[in-house]
Amino acid sequence: NAGVTQTPKFRILKIGQSMTLQCTQDMNHNYMYWYRQDPGMGLKLIYYSVGAGITDKGEVPNGYNVSRSTTEDFPLRLELAAPSQTSVYFCASSPLVGTWVVPPDTQYFGPGTRLTVL
Amino acid sequence: GENVEQHPSTLSVQEGDSAVIKCTYSDSASNYFPWYKQELGKRPQLIIDIRSNVGEKKDQRIAVTLNKTAKHFSLHITETQPEDSAVYFCAASSTGTASKLTFGTGTRLQVTL
Repeated sequence: NAGVTQTPKFRILKIGQSMTLQCTQDMNHNYMYWYRQDPGMGLKLIYYSVGAGITDKGEVPNGYNVSRSTTEDFPLRLELAAPSQTSVYFCASSPLVGTWVVPPDTQYFGPGTRLTVL
Repeated sequence: GENVEQHPSTLSVQEGDSAVIKCTYSDSASNYFPWYKQELGKRPQLIIDIRSNVGEKKDQRIAVTLNKTAKHFSLHITETQPEDSAVYFCAASSTGTASKLTFGTGTRLQVTL
C-alpha cells in the first residue's frame, strides 16, 4: 500500500489564482481530513469527510472547498488564493472500523503540500 | 469546540535524561488522545495514543498518562536519544464524530549529547 499520497509537493501561487491539492489513499478508509499547518504551529482542521458524497467544515474552512466523489480521493480546492493561505497542507485518513492492529481513530497523514501565495 | 494547550513550547534535555510534555483539554466529551512526532519537513507520525478508559499506556521508552478529572494528559520519554529530537504534538478528539483532532501548538524537543 502507498498509504496517503498528495500532489503537488510544492507550489507557488499568485494572489487570486486557484488550484486543487490532490489527496489519494489506498487503504479503503472511510474518513478523510484536510489540515493546514502554519510555521511553528499545530495543525488545524479545514474540512473532513466521513464517506463518499459527505463532507463537512472543520475549524478553518473559509477560502477552501472540497469534494468526495470516491472513497479514495479527497481534493482540496483554493478558489482565490490569498497570502494568508501560505501554509503546509496535510491530508489524512482513518478507518471507520478498526482492526486488532489499527484502532478506528488512528489517522495516517500524507507527506504534505507546501504552498506559498505571493 | 475543543481547545488543547501544550507546554512547554521548547524543551532541551541531555541524552539519557527524561522528557515530559504536558497537555490540557477543555471538552469533557473528548476520549481519544494521540501524540504525534514530526521531524523537520516531514509528516506527523503517530507514536502513541490513549483512550479515556485507560489511565496510562507504555510502549518501550514512551509512556502517556491521562487524568480525565483534571483534563490533562502527558507524554513521558525516558532515556532520551538524539533521534528523539523533533516537534511533538498532542491532540484530542471525541470518537464517534469522525475523530476530528484538535492539536496542541507543539513542543520542540532537543536532545543534546
